[in-house]
Amino acid sequence: QVQLQESGPGLVKPSETLSLTCAVSGYSISSGYYWGWMRQTPGKGLEWIGSIHHSGTTYYNPSLKSRVTVSVDTSKNQFSLKLNSVTAADTAVYYCARSVAYWGQGTLVTVSS
Amino acid sequence: EIVLTQSPGTLSLSPGERGTLSCRASQSVTSNYLAWFQVKPGQAPRLLIYGASNRATGIPDRFSGSGSGTDFTLTISRLEPEDFAVYYCLQYGSSPPYTFGQGTKLEIK
Repeated sequence: QVQLQESGPGLVKPSETLSLTCAVSGYSISSGYYWGWMRQTPGKGLEWIGSIHHSGTTYYNPSLKSRVTVSVDTSKNQFSLKLNSVTAADTAVYYCARSVAYWGQGTLVTVSS
Repeated sequence: EIVLTQSPGTLSLSPGERGTLSCRASQSVTSNYLAWFQVKPGQAPRLLIYGASNRATGIPDRFSGSGSGTDFTLTISRLEPEDFAVYYCLQYGSSPPYTFGQGTKLEIK
């Protein structure tokens, strides 16, 4: 059974960089699929942030592209999200996912000084 | 970029009634790569339907998806108390980018 688990700081200061990691178990990232990040902001809906193919090709939401980096570490079977220059608008529950079928439980990140 | 528009924004129904949720795309969705999710407070999104009409593992058969091209529908044949939640459609193509609809809140009447 594929399982994903997000980890990272729950509080980030404005203008700093949000960094999250997703540990994958039950499947090798290097075997295939797209691995991505989504978020749900308070009072708003779901938003796709970006994804990485097992080959290393990345795809980003145009509205966030200038601030986002998704990378993969196949040796640790995990992938990561970096979102820089954060503001309060980036406060959200962040989810990692394999394509659309398997999701982590989510982690709340609050942007506040 | 494909824009998904869900309607209605809020749907008020009673348990036992039939719920019909709509998702319209601004352009044709490739190979019907359209999914539906259920979201409840404090829980991760739950995949209900993928490929427009395929139920995900463990999803009750009262949930069904239909449609193609630009018009898609999620139908809940007979609402159970646990079905009241927010529902999102997602187009995911054969590769990213992905886009979500803005959601439909299904509330108890």
